Amino acid sequence: NAGVTQTPKFQVLKTGQSMTLQCAQDMNHEYMSWYRQDPGMGLRLIHYSVGAGITDQGEVPNGYNVSRSTTEDFPLRLLSAAPSQTSVYFCASSLGGRWAYGYTFGSGTRLTVV
Amino acid sequence: GDSVTQMEGPVTLSEEAFLTINCTYTATGYPSLFWYVQYPGEGLQLLLKATKADDKGSNKGFEATYRKETTSFHLEKGSVQVSDSAVYFCALHGSSNTGKLIFGQGTTLQVKP
Repeated sequence: NAGVTQTPKFQVLKTGQSMTLQCAQDMNHEYMSWYRQDPGMGLRLIHYSVGAGITDQGEVPNGYNVSRSTTEDFPLRLLSAAPSQTSVYFCASSLGGRWAYGYTFGSGTRLTVV
Repeated sequence: GDSVTQMEGPVTLSEEAFLTINCTYTATGYPSLFWYVQYPGEGLQLLLKATKADDKGSNKGFEATYRKETTSFHLEKGSVQVSDSAVYFCALHGSSNTGKLIFGQGTTLQVKP
């Protein structure tokens, strides 16, 4: 049981480059989310999905795109990387409507934009 | 909108000391409340949870009680260990069925031998 798998674990980008952060879960969870973690700011929601084909914006969506073509995968795309997007990114999933079980988090992707 | 406020850290304690990390929230309706823990270099792990007023969540010696009258969910442990050193996040899931978790800013705990 792999849980939530994020790749890559580390990435360095140059300003203006694009890339995709991968997230996959094998628990048949309906809900998936992307968060970014910055010092002193906790985790902030970027985008989330309540099921395949359905996505919505969170608190800090600018500069990021998502899609959800399958239940298992929820990639996060950086369109044109900026230094302000240097952060640690976490993907999380949860069984739909079962909030008492909380979210399962991936181990994170540490992104540096130079 | 919904929000979570945690006490600022870092919190530095000696082994076997008593721990309290304060957490208060603002939300409409009846949110579910969580404490997550993040060990160095790792993702977040669910530590404990409470889904209704007066519920007490507990795990690994940690406890927190959902107090609706004071909108609080303080984390406590009677005797901390060096292995408890980590960042602790208070979070809520609000009454809307969107799956959105709202996090506090996190509190770093360092336990010294």
